[in-house]
Amino acid sequence: DAKTTQPPSMDCAEGRAANLPCNHSTISGNEYVYWYRQIHSQGPQYIIHGLKNNETNEMASLIITEDRKSSTLILPHATLRDTAVYYCIVREGRGATNKLIFGTGTLLAVQP
Amino acid sequence: GAVVSQHPSWVICKSGTSVKIECRSLDFQATTMFWYRQFPKQSLMLMATSNEGSKATYEQGVEKDKFLINHASLTLSTLTVTSAHPEDSSFYICSASDRGADAFFGQGTRLTVV
Repeated sequence: DAKTTQPPSMDCAEGRAANLPCNHSTISGNEYVYWYRQIHSQGPQYIIHGLKNNETNEMASLIITEDRKSSTLILPHATLRDTAVYYCIVREGRGATNKLIFGTGTLLAVQP
Repeated sequence: GAVVSQHPSWVICKSGTSVKIECRSLDFQATTMFWYRQFPKQSLMLMATSNEGSKATYEQGVEKDKFLINHASLTLSTLTVTSAHPEDSSFYICSASDRGADAFFGQGTRLTVV
């Protein structure tokens, strides 16, 4: 079973920051937080991951609370192409054999 | 990121026939690949873990005799849906990780059984 809870949907205005929350209150010490997104009828796309510290890459920023029980994915300047289902996933370790179990995700709709 | 390719992108087959879907890691070797299935308006459901040179590990409720997985090399895993029926129509997606890296997904295969 997925170990995360996300709102089913969110709207965001084009050009504004999109902040997508995720609760993972049962996360354990060796579990990473991963974010993927899926644009309609495509395979999921990796966005970012983190363990304890906040992370940033060219796509997004990941803010993890100090107790690690929740996190927020931030898309700094959302565009229409960012409309997708965003999945927050808790994964044990980073080894190649570690599974990714998907929850229901958040459908982000970026409005013009 | 790493590239994972699936073939075909879509397939239509008659009920009772078998369909093979290929998943290739194009620029890295993958000892482990994963197969998922996704029904319309639902999330991805993990079906099985494909291990190079050994038997696949299936998730609970997934019929191993119906969904045959072969991982004969470090860059190729195949999923064969045997005796397909309309209820097997779905979006099938594979993923792969190289050593210590993050999982990357194929573009998916849409199977329609008529």
